[in-house]
Amino acid sequence: DPKIIQKPKYLVAVTGSEKILICEQYLGHNAMYWYRQSAKKPLEFMFSYSYQKLMDNQTASSRFQPQSSKKNHLDLQITALKPDDSATYFCASSQGRLSSAETLYFGSGTRLTVL
Amino acid sequence: GDKVKQSPSALSLQEGTNSALRCNFSIAATTVQWFLQNPRGSLINLFYLVPGTKENGRLKSAFDSKESYSTLHIRDAQLEDSGTYFCAAEALNNQGKLIFGQGTKLSIKP
Repeated sequence: DPKIIQKPKYLVAVTGSEKILICEQYLGHNAMYWYRQSAKKPLEFMFSYSYQKLMDNQTASSRFQPQSSKKNHLDLQITALKPDDSATYFCASSQGRLSSAETLYFGSGTRLTVL
Repeated sequence: GDKVKQSPSALSLQEGTNSALRCNFSIAATTVQWFLQNPRGSLINLFYLVPGTKENGRLKSAFDSKESYSTLHIRDAQLEDSGTYFCAAEALNNQGKLIFGQGTKLSIKP
């Protein structure tokens, strides 16, 4: 059974609309992340959360907003969608020990296409 | 320039042969992780490395922080090893923020 669940698996949106990508992890981890994989670039770090607090934000645009309603949830809201936002968005998690680096576990991704 | 450079970009192997993938870092990496992205798109963690070597079955990986590189050796390649292999580096005080290479696309032929 997958331990990190991302929904939906595929998503098609029109330019200018807003979508929410869902991520839930059942690994008991305290840290969660969003990464993005587009055709032209390697996987890119977007956000990290630890104990539901934002730790790092490398996303230039405020159109991307993570939302953490529970410790094991980290959704990603994207507003005013643009075709350039088309990519696969991966959620990940780790134990969350702030004092050391850790193994990251990834969900299966949400492939977003903006028309 | 690329902070994490992987080579080769693509590789085709016969089943049963061995291969070596490499990552060179232009950042001060403290840890390295290797992932396999399978044909369905899932990212599977293969190794988490501090400087040193780890082995798991037919896979062996090494990370030399002084020389700024990491390698992944695949022994006796099987069809299910096909996919894209990514290395990712983590710099000091950047917990969870991995910098990925462009990947090596590996095709195993029967």
